Amino acid sequence: ELKVEQNPLFLSMQEGKNYTIYCNYSTTSDRLYWYRQDPGKSLESLFVLLSNGAVKQEGRLMASLDTKARLSTLHITAAVHDLSATYFCAPDTDSSYKLIFGSGTRLLVRP
Amino acid sequence: GAVVSQHPSWVICKSGTSVKIECRSLDFQATTMFWYRQFPKQSLMLMATSNEGSKATYEQGVEKDKFLINHASLTLSTLTVTSAHPEDSSFYICSASALGLAGVPYEQYFGPGTRLTVT
Repeated sequence: ELKVEQNPLFLSMQEGKNYTIYCNYSTTSDRLYWYRQDPGKSLESLFVLLSNGAVKQEGRLMASLDTKARLSTLHITAAVHDLSATYFCAPDTDSSYKLIFGSGTRLLVRP
Repeated sequence: GAVVSQHPSWVICKSGTSVKIECRSLDFQATTMFWYRQFPKQSLMLMATSNEGSKATYEQGVEKDKFLINHASLTLSTLTVTSAHPEDSSFYICSASALGLAGVPYEQYFGPGTRLTVT
């Protein structure tokens, strides 16, 4: 059974600082997704990582995937308040393409 | 990007009644739809996977007789919560995907969610 661990679960950081969110998963998966969720809302797709070594960047966020280490990271550069949200990683299962979500990282960016 | 809608966006029902939630893919044909449930401050938990024209596959611990899923067309799936109780109050989110090359599905596109409150 695929298990997904994210850390930290909660992150309070100052504007302008950098930080990385980690996503470890337990079994083979070649595709991994990152989502953002604002309070009371559904998921917003951030990144789709399709292969080992994939790196994608959008604005202040950069995501990477290491399928051999079963690790993905979401790096935040020079955080701004608008990035405050909950971030989820979700690898899909090789056989059925179901997404298994991590517990989420609640990010609060303070002025 | 692909658009998925859900209806209603929120619903309040009395304990013991049933409520139906619709999930529609608006601009693509969804061969597979997924139903998730999210309790406050928790992650998304997959409830079931439905393929058009066939019975849904439920995750372990999800009662198939309580959460009835129908995927009658390539653009519509419904989730009916039967005999709802307060503990069924939750945020229900659907997603939809289409098959690509070699039968590998494209990414899932998520609906806006339905907030269910059972009183």
